[in-house]
Amino acid sequence: DAKTTQPPSMDCAEGRAANLPCNHSTISGNEYVYWYRQIHSQGPQYIIHGLKNNETNEMASLIITEDRKSSTLILPHATLRDTAVYYCIVYFGSGGGSNYKLTFGKGTLLTVNP
Amino acid sequence: NAGVTQTPKFRVLKTGQSMTLLCAQDMNHEYMYWYRQDPGMGLRLIHYSVGEGTTAKGEVPDGYNVSRLKKQNFLLGLESAAPSQTSVYFCAADSPLGNTGELFFGEGSRLTVL
Repeated sequence: DAKTTQPPSMDCAEGRAANLPCNHSTISGNEYVYWYRQIHSQGPQYIIHGLKNNETNEMASLIITEDRKSSTLILPHATLRDTAVYYCIVYFGSGGGSNYKLTFGKGTLLTVNP
Repeated sequence: NAGVTQTPKFRVLKTGQSMTLLCAQDMNHEYMYWYRQDPGMGLRLIHYSVGEGTTAKGEVPDGYNVSRLKKQNFLLGLESAAPSQTSVYFCAADSPLGNTGELFFGEGSRLTVL
């Protein structure tokens, strides 16, 4: 699996957009970009994933650059409950491959401030 | 997440004791995973299973055994617990659609080995 690089921490004001970056310069053609988050001491929660097109769901938007070497997770109106560690992961998923191991790095601690 | 249940939630062991963590899912998932998480670290994959009767090693399998005799249950065993196995253990299961990368996690099992 390709490696990802994320800043260790970020701050965001409540009500503002939180933009979390991720670099994945070695991503291969059929690897997807996944985002998870982990609120303190809970199990991680799936947020969104995408291949090359931008994606949006009720939780967040995912913007993937045209060369696919980086992406940004956007929480449009951050709330205090969005304070969590956010993990960016590249993985074949339904794109095939025989690697079934979803690898979590250290992620970005997003702190949403009042 | 409803649907992935871990037992027990908390356990204290003495060095050398054995125990089994149970992960149960009721959503017909094929793929199941056991991760451990230590303070300040991301999740590390211990073992995983891609279907009933199959198991495979992850990143940190030493000291653990697993079994998947029934599709609904994925058991993680510690034959002779060591203090280095003090950790929070998370079970996860992939979507019933298959290897989608959209994992559902349990609430975690906090294990302390004295």
